[in-house]
Amino acid sequence: SYVLTQPPSASVAPGKTARITCGGNNIRSKTVHWYQQKPGQAPVLVIYYDSDRPSGIPERFSGSNSGNTATLTISRVEAGDEADYYCQMWDSSSDHRWVFGGGTKLTVL
Amino acid sequence: QLQLVESGGGVVQPGRSLRLSCAASGFTFSTYAIHWVRQAPGKGLEWVAIISYDGTNKYYADSVKGRFTISRDNSKNTLYLQMNSLRAEDTAVYYCARGGWQSFQGWLDPWGQGTLVTVSS
Repeated sequence: SYVLTQPPSASVAPGKTARITCGGNNIRSKTVHWYQQKPGQAPVLVIYYDSDRPSGIPERFSGSNSGNTATLTISRVEAGDEADYYCQMWDSSSDHRWVFGGGTKLTVL
Repeated sequence: QLQLVESGGGVVQPGRSLRLSCAASGFTFSTYAIHWVRQAPGKGLEWVAIISYDGTNKYYADSVKGRFTISRDNSKNTLYLQMNSLRAEDTAVYYCARGGWQSFQGWLDPWGQGTLVTVSS
C-alpha cells in the first residue's frame, strides 16, 4: 500500500518561511491535499489539488508537488500557524485507500 | 453553513458494539461521498471508511474491515458507522468528513468536531 512520509517536527521563527514535506513514490503522479489541526480541534483543509487554496485560507499558504515530494509552504509565519499538518492522497491503484501522512508538528519559535 | 455533527461516542467494553452517527447540514448531502477518519490519543489521522454519494460503494481500512460497517440515509442527511467486536486499539476520536462530489476523488472538507470512543473494560 502507498505510504506518505512526513518529518515528525519542524520549527520556524515568526516572519520566516516554513516548508513541510510529504514524501511518496512518484507522488507527483498523485493529487495531494493538506490539513491543519490545532490542539483539541478538528482538521481544516488548507491546500487541495496540490496547490489550490480554499476560500478563507491566507495567501501565505501554498503547495507544490514534484518528483517524490509534495511540499506545503507557509510564508511570513505567525504564532497562530503553530499546529499539526497532514498530507493526504487517494490511492486508487489497488483496493481504494485514502492515505494520510504521519503528520508534522510545526513549532513557531 | 456547511456542518457535520457526530454523535454516539462513549465508553464500551472490548468485544461490544457501538453505532456512531453524523448529521449533515448546509449542503446537498445525497451528492457527496462521506468519510470516517479516526485519531487515537496523541496519534495521527487514520482513514477508516468511505461511502459513495448513493450508498452503493463502500471501502474500508484493513484495520476495521469485517468489523465496521458504513451506511447512510440520504432522506435523513445522516451517515452511520456500526462498530462491532471493538478492541482497545479502536479507542480514538472519530470524525466524519465530506468527500468528493458524486465521486471518490477529492479532498475532505469540512470535518465534524469528532466524537470520542473509548474501548475499555
